[in-house]
Amino acid sequence: KTQVEQSPQSLVVRQGENCVLQCNYSVTPDNHLRWFKQDTGKGLVSLTVLVDQKDKTSNGRYSATLDKDAKHSTLHITATLLDDTATYICVVGDRGSALGRLHFGAGTQLIVIP
Amino acid sequence: DMKVTQMPRYLIKRMGENVLLECGQDMSHETMYWYRQDPGLGLQLIYISYDVDSNSEGDIPKGYRVSRKKREHFSLILDSAKTNQTSVYFCASSLITGGNTGQLYFGEGSKLTVL
Repeated sequence: KTQVEQSPQSLVVRQGENCVLQCNYSVTPDNHLRWFKQDTGKGLVSLTVLVDQKDKTSNGRYSATLDKDAKHSTLHITATLLDDTATYICVVGDRGSALGRLHFGAGTQLIVIP
Repeated sequence: DMKVTQMPRYLIKRMGENVLLECGQDMSHETMYWYRQDPGLGLQLIYISYDVDSNSEGDIPKGYRVSRKKREHFSLILDSAKTNQTSVYFCASSLITGGNTGQLYFGEGSKLTVL
């Protein structure tokens, strides 16, 4: 059973618009949550890591929230650019050490059009 | 420059042939991983290596083996490849100390097609 569900599966926005990507998970324990960006044909690049029970991070036009009580995270992208076209992947770590497992979502495919 | 390098990037093999995928990192990270990515699925862990000659099976190790003889190099081997091993394979490395989540770096992937 998939333990990390991302929605929507795909999303099309116009350049300059804002968008919100969702991640719901059932992983226990949930030590931390990461968001990655994957350009087509490329590897995953880390955007942010969330750790606290209720956490918020900001990295330029990317901001993210985590609510461990709800087992839910959001990734907000403001003023989207064409280069934001990519797949965004939510990953939940069940430990803070290398002994832990990472649980990957299937990703949200974001397409930014002019 | 912090980088994970995978070779080859693209590979076509016939069923039954052997496959060697190689991964290198220049960050002296202890922990390295091999994942596979299939359409519509999240990345699945094949093997994890905690250091030289310290490897553990992941969630889908069947049909694969690994070798780590130097800290900076981690190989994935498919003995007698099968068509269902057609996939994109990703190598990753991390440096995690204490309870810190650390950073996770991925290579650009190796696309394997088994005919």
